[in-house]
Amino acid sequence: NAGVTQTPKFQVLKTGQSMTLQCAQDMNHEYMSWYRQDPGMGLRLIHYSVGAGITDQGEVPNGYNVSRSTTEDFPLRLLSAAPSQTSVYFCASSYFRTSGSSYEQYFGPGTRLTVT
Amino acid sequence: ELKVEQNPLFLSMQEGKNYTIYCNYSTTSDRLYWYRQDPGKSLESLFVLLSNGAVKQEGRLMASLDTKARLSTLHITAAVHDLSATYFCAVDSNYQLIWGAGTKLIIKP
Repeated sequence: NAGVTQTPKFQVLKTGQSMTLQCAQDMNHEYMSWYRQDPGMGLRLIHYSVGAGITDQGEVPNGYNVSRSTTEDFPLRLLSAAPSQTSVYFCASSYFRTSGSSYEQYFGPGTRLTVT
Repeated sequence: ELKVEQNPLFLSMQEGKNYTIYCNYSTTSDRLYWYRQDPGKSLESLFVLLSNGAVKQEGRLMASLDTKARLSTLHITAAVHDLSATYFCAVDSNYQLIWGAGTKLIIKP
């Protein structure tokens, strides 16, 4: 199993450009999520999905879109990049029980994004 | 709004010493996770604590959960240099994990 994979590993964007961060998992996990990690702030949830066709906003969704057309893939789109979006982005996945409680999340290697 | 607070945020200690990292959270939850992150790397799951009174141990690390006090602890016994990392706790709330800011642990030989 490859686990959770993310591409690219590094990216530099100019302000106003758009791009898509890719995330895929091969563990048949229902739950997938995107986080951003900034120094001294822990991880903040951007968007999450509890299954194909279902997405919802997390703590910091503005400026980002997601879709979940398959169980395996959960891309994150930056619509118009801003310097405030400079961060490290992690994708994670886990099993999900209908009660709403999730199991431990498995993380991808991260994408380091710089917006100039 | 659920808040998760870790303390200390930075800890420098000598090998062989014991210490405890604390994780407080502000609303009811009975699921808490501890993760480790090495510099420039991704996050690795250490412990999943699923009920009040849960205690889990792996090597020199032991985690516990008191849901009534809304407190989890990560205890390090006889620290070794390899345990140097940043440790995060996260609390499960309404389909989301809310994270503490992390505790950067440096263990000196």
